[in-house]
Amino acid sequence: QKEVEQDPGPLSVPEGAIVSLNCTYSNSAFQYFMWYRQYSRKGPELLMYTYSSGNKEDGRFTAQVDKSSKYISLFIRDSQPSDSATYLCAMRGTRSARQLTFGSGTQLTVLP
Amino acid sequence: EAGVAQSPRYKIIEKRQSVAFWCNPISGHATLYWYQQILGQGPKLLIQFQNNGVVDDSQLPKDRFSAERLKGVDSTLKIQPAKLEDSAVYLCASSPLALSSYEQYFGPGTRLTVT
Repeated sequence: QKEVEQDPGPLSVPEGAIVSLNCTYSNSAFQYFMWYRQYSRKGPELLMYTYSSGNKEDGRFTAQVDKSSKYISLFIRDSQPSDSATYLCAMRGTRSARQLTFGSGTQLTVLP
Repeated sequence: EAGVAQSPRYKIIEKRQSVAFWCNPISGHATLYWYQQILGQGPKLLIQFQNNGVVDDSQLPKDRFSAERLKGVDSTLKIQPAKLEDSAVYLCASSPLALSSYEQYFGPGTRLTVT
């Protein structure tokens, strides 16, 4: 069993839709939770990060962490064609477990 | 601010050959990472440097992979000899401090094909 599981998709939605992307994890030591966006032929770029449980909002993006369920989500409101990319969740612990562990990524296409 | 630079962008080699990748991190970033991203998977950390010292190389196949970061700035990753399963994108990333390793800035990667 992988430490981080992510539905690979592909996910295709119409422009303006609300998108929900999710990851589950098994390592209870994870404390920091990130979402990276990766466009084709590019390196990942950090979208959002959250420490421990809770919600965080940034414009059209909302990240949620439920540590009791070991489940994290990224919501995209009013999705745009420019949001078409692969979304990677990533997480890490503290102290000796600072290495980032990535999910396999979900490929999202927003249709105009 | 210039981003993380990597070269070459693409490389095709035959198995058992050797190859080297180069990375120039963002100026002032103390921490440098090399990741391997196989198609359809997330990046996997190969090695992490803090300045010119190795912090974590637990997932680096040391029988064939080597990396160095002389003078704490540029870094090179080498594979010798390459295997078919080394076909992947090799990503370099940097961050200001190891404690903020969630905030990593990635380069565009080098796409390696081993035939």
